[in-house]
Amino acid sequence: GAVVSQHPSWVICKSGTSVKIECRSLDFQATTMFWYRQFPKQSLMLMATSNEGSKATYEQGVEKDKFLINHASLTLSTLTVTSAHPEDSSFYICSAIGLAVAQSTDTQYFGPGTRLTVL
Amino acid sequence: GESVGLHLPTLSVQEGDNSIINCAYSNSASDYFIWYKQESGKGPQFIIDIRSNMDKRQGQRVTVLLNKTVKHLSLQIAATQPGDSAVYFCAENIGGFNKFYFGSGTKLNVKP
Repeated sequence: GAVVSQHPSWVICKSGTSVKIECRSLDFQATTMFWYRQFPKQSLMLMATSNEGSKATYEQGVEKDKFLINHASLTLSTLTVTSAHPEDSSFYICSAIGLAVAQSTDTQYFGPGTRLTVL
Repeated sequence: GESVGLHLPTLSVQEGDNSIINCAYSNSASDYFIWYKQESGKGPQFIIDIRSNMDKRQGQRVTVLLNKTVKHLSLQIAATQPGDSAVYFCAENIGGFNKFYFGSGTKLNVKP
């Protein structure tokens, strides 16, 4: 099946620093990737849609200058949390949609998530 | 849209029983739905999907029912096993743009 990886799986950083999270589709080309954040005991909140070779589309209320997204290739999207603060601590999850996956071209496959803790 | 909640509703079932998890969606334009399973500290895992031109779809031990009239989705798990314990989310896709919005989730607790 379709495999999506994220790196790192967890990261701890100091307040004010920037953190980059990578999302890779390992066995398919992802035309579109998505970034979500999830707080404890809550649902996934869509942050942005990332299309290869174009600017990301952000959901209402998500600061694009705070959460920089780059989709440089059909297998890699990165999310950079700039000037991170403790309130940015969360579980960040990416997903990808692509061709040649078993279920459906519309099915999203999720990465394992990245736990960000900002001290 | 965004789902905000303080506590996840919990469904507790005995091993071997059938489980039914419900989800209400808000947008009548939603045309594609997916159920995901999320174990603690992991990303969501695809379980089953259904398009709006169907009202039922079956997989292995799972069935999804869609009632568009009342905008309701359910996931039925047959012969629930301890390994089914997780949080289950429904996700809706609106207008074919491949953007999915997640429901608030239900925690399934299977007692051995």
